[in-house]
Amino acid sequence: EDQVTQSPEALRLQEGESSSLNCSYTVSGLRGLFWYRQDPGKGPEFLFTLYSAGEEKEKERLKATLTKKESFLHITAPKPEDSATYLCAVQAISGAGSYQLTFGKGTKLSVIP
Amino acid sequence: EAQVTQNPRYLITVTGKKLTVTCSQNMNHEYMSWYRQDPGLGLRQIYYSMNVEVTDKGDVPEGYKVSRKEKRNFPLILESPSPNQTSLYFCASSRQGYSYEQYFGPGTRLTVT
Repeated sequence: EDQVTQSPEALRLQEGESSSLNCSYTVSGLRGLFWYRQDPGKGPEFLFTLYSAGEEKEKERLKATLTKKESFLHITAPKPEDSATYLCAVQAISGAGSYQLTFGKGTKLSVIP
Repeated sequence: EAQVTQNPRYLITVTGKKLTVTCSQNMNHEYMSWYRQDPGLGLRQIYYSMNVEVTDKGDVPEGYKVSRKEKRNFPLILESPSPNQTSLYFCASSRQGYSYEQYFGPGTRLTVT
């Protein structure tokens, strides 16, 4: 069974204080790992897809990296508008669940001015 | 504008009264999916559809039905709603089932009394 564990559950940062969110996963074979951002009361918004260990992707203050067991979302010099819940999801390469996405429970990020 | 729409956005109903939540996308996406989001449990996949007339169960399909008769529409049917189906529901679509980012609708908040 595919599993995704995100840590920490909640993170409070001062504006400008860089940090990282963790997503640990267990999957038979990874087809893709996805990061989403979710604002309160809204649907998740796609950020990144990572396919293989060693891959990195960047967007503004966010950088996602991938190893064989986990992914990190690095936030550099965050601003209050980066406050949101960040979700990680994995899709397996084969088996009965090959078209399923399994989500972690998310990390709620608060950036204080 | 490319988007996924859901209706209704809010619904309060009583136990046993059949209801349908509609989902429509205008991006000609092949893959569509339904999720429910509950505090402490995160996003869980209910059903997904790889294309017209092709559907499959996700992690929590009990008590739900779906159909995909047209590419753009993927309604979620609750034949006999129960209070444990009180949740926030999201519809999502993507170009294909494999490794493509999903675009989420705005959500439907359902309360079953």
